[in-house]
Amino acid sequence: AQTVTQSQPEMSVQEAETVTLSCTYDTSENNYYLFWYKQPPSRQMILVIRQEAYKQQNATENRFSVNFQKAAKSFSLKISDSQLGDTAMYFCAFIPGAQKLVFGQGTRLTINP
Amino acid sequence: DGGITQSPKYLFRKEGQNVTLSCEQNLNHDAMYWYRQDPGQGLRLIYYSQIVNDFQKGDIAEGYSVSREKKESFPLTVTSAQKNPTAFYLCASTASRQVWGYTFGSGTRLTVV
Repeated sequence: AQTVTQSQPEMSVQEAETVTLSCTYDTSENNYYLFWYKQPPSRQMILVIRQEAYKQQNATENRFSVNFQKAAKSFSLKISDSQLGDTAMYFCAFIPGAQKLVFGQGTRLTINP
Repeated sequence: DGGITQSPKYLFRKEGQNVTLSCEQNLNHDAMYWYRQDPGQGLRLIYYSQIVNDFQKGDIAEGYSVSREKKESFPLTVTSAQKNPTAFYLCASTASRQVWGYTFGSGTRLTVV
């Protein structure tokens, strides 16, 4: 089965701190794409970062970076210098092989002033 | 600007009624998808279509139906057979050669009254 697990239903940090969201996945595929999506209160799904499984280098987008551990099937998201606007639901997701986008349960992140 | 339009934003349904959620895209994307979002369960795939006049069931298709008569449109009907239809519904699309490039609509919140 192709599954994604986010073990942290909720997290809360102070503004400017660094926070890491965890994600593990299960697949027998060797080629796949991994994603982190942000869903703010508007409920619009926003792509935060993407990682191709065949690339060993971890993806980075400004304050957002990932720690991709293929052997461990782990894909965590680190948010540096967190901002109030980072408050949102965060979903880990992946596309195993040629299949469809599979989502985790989500982590509700709150950035406190 | 290209994008996906979902309507209505809020929808109320009486028990026993069928309702149809609209999804229109002007991105010239080949594939379209319907996801259901419930608290604590992430997004789950209901139906998807990779080409006009063809569609496949996702993980939770029971109680739903779709059509794909035009490339731009992929309406979802929530039938009276769906026992727990209250949820947030998201439509998405991708180009056939960029399966990682999901674009999401802004969603429809369906409530059974």
